[in-house]
Amino acid sequence: NAGVTQTPKFQVLKTGQSMTLQCAQDMNHEYMSWYRQDPGMGLRLIHYSVGAGITDQGEVPNGYNVSRSTTEDFPLRLLSAAPSQTSVYFCASSGQGNTEAFFGQGTRLTVV
Amino acid sequence: AQSVSQHNHHVILSEAASLELGCNYSYGGTVNLFWYVQYPGQHLQLLLKYFSGDPLVKGIKGFEAEFIKSKFSFNLRKPSVQWSDTAEYFCAVNAKGGYNKLIFGAGTRLAVHP
Repeated sequence: NAGVTQTPKFQVLKTGQSMTLQCAQDMNHEYMSWYRQDPGMGLRLIHYSVGAGITDQGEVPNGYNVSRSTTEDFPLRLLSAAPSQTSVYFCASSGQGNTEAFFGQGTRLTVV
Repeated sequence: AQSVSQHNHHVILSEAASLELGCNYSYGGTVNLFWYVQYPGQHLQLLLKYFSGDPLVKGIKGFEAEFIKSKFSFNLRKPSVQWSDTAEYFCAVNAKGGYNKLIFGAGTRLAVHP
């Protein structure tokens, strides 16, 4: 079982560059989300999706875009990277109702 | 707004010591509660969860947690820790019946010395 797959695992960007973090799940989950993890702050929700074609903002959406064209994929786009976006990013998926979330392995992003 | 507070940011224990990590949440409605663990360099894994029923929940690796509704608490316990329990522990909540928007606490970093 692949579960939730994130790519890349590591990335270094220069300020102003753009990139897309990929996330795919093979569990037919309707709900997918992106979090960023920063020391002492836990995980904070960036964007989430409750199904293909439906996305919404989380707690810290500025500087990030998402789209959900299929159930399986939920990419996160950084349009113009800033040093404040240096973080570890986790993608998660879950089914409807009272279920647990499954997390990907994370992407460690450094913006210089 | 929902929030989760974890009382201890860093805990250092010797092997065989008992562990209790505090977690309190703030939310006006009914919630589901979770504890996740993150071992060094790895992703988050579910330790245990509470949806309904018996407020004492048992999870993997000998962990348990007790939901006390009147105190809005969901503390994590383990009677005897091992070196392999060294990790960061996150408490999380989401609104029951709603979309699975997890709200996390800041985390507690546990170091267990042999």
